Amino acid sequence: ETGVTQSPTHLIKTRGQQVTLRCSSQSGHNTVSWYQQALGQGPQFIFQYYREEENGRGNFPPRFSGLQFPNYSSELNVNALELDDSALYLCASSSPPGLAEYFGPGTRLTVL
Amino acid sequence: GIQVEQSPPDLILQEGANSTLRCNFSDSVNNLQWFHQNPWGQLINLFYIPSGTKQNGRLSATTVATERYSLLYISSSQTTDSGVYFCAERDDKIIFGKGTRLHILP
Repeated sequence: ETGVTQSPTHLIKTRGQQVTLRCSSQSGHNTVSWYQQALGQGPQFIFQYYREEENGRGNFPPRFSGLQFPNYSSELNVNALELDDSALYLCASSSPPGLAEYFGPGTRLTVL
Repeated sequence: GIQVEQSPPDLILQEGANSTLRCNFSDSVNNLQWFHQNPWGQLINLFYIPSGTKQNGRLSATTVATERYSLLYISSSQTTDSGVYFCAERDDKIIFGKGTRLHILP
């Protein structure tokens, strides 16, 4: 059984740039959720995708967007990066939505 | 939405000690999970425990949904238990507590 994987592991961008983060869900899981974790805080829910459709969204602006593909992998896109977007971005998969989630290792984004 | 409070915020223990971490909720719980985040940031799913008690080796968890709390017990602590422990509940979205930072001294 393949676990949740994320790429890249680390990323440095400058303010105003755009970034795409990728996640492959655990084998057999059709639901992917994305979280932002600032230093010293708990993860904050960004949004969830279930069978290629957005299935819930947290309090994040529209410049945070996502996609889920037919193989259930997912992308998180962030436009017009701000300094406060610097964080660990975590992806989690489950099947179906609402049951136990399994997390990937995260992508650490630094915005300069 | 639901509020999640974890206590204590920080805990320093000697190797071999036992500990109890607590999670309180402002509303009833239906999909409660406990996670361990290791020093490298990886979140490990410990328990999915909407109610009752579960055990996995030295770790066990109890959720009393009607009283809106959950407890995580760690027995005979090891240095590898260090990290941050989070509880989380799915309301219309998943809400994490702020975590308990556990440091086990050798």
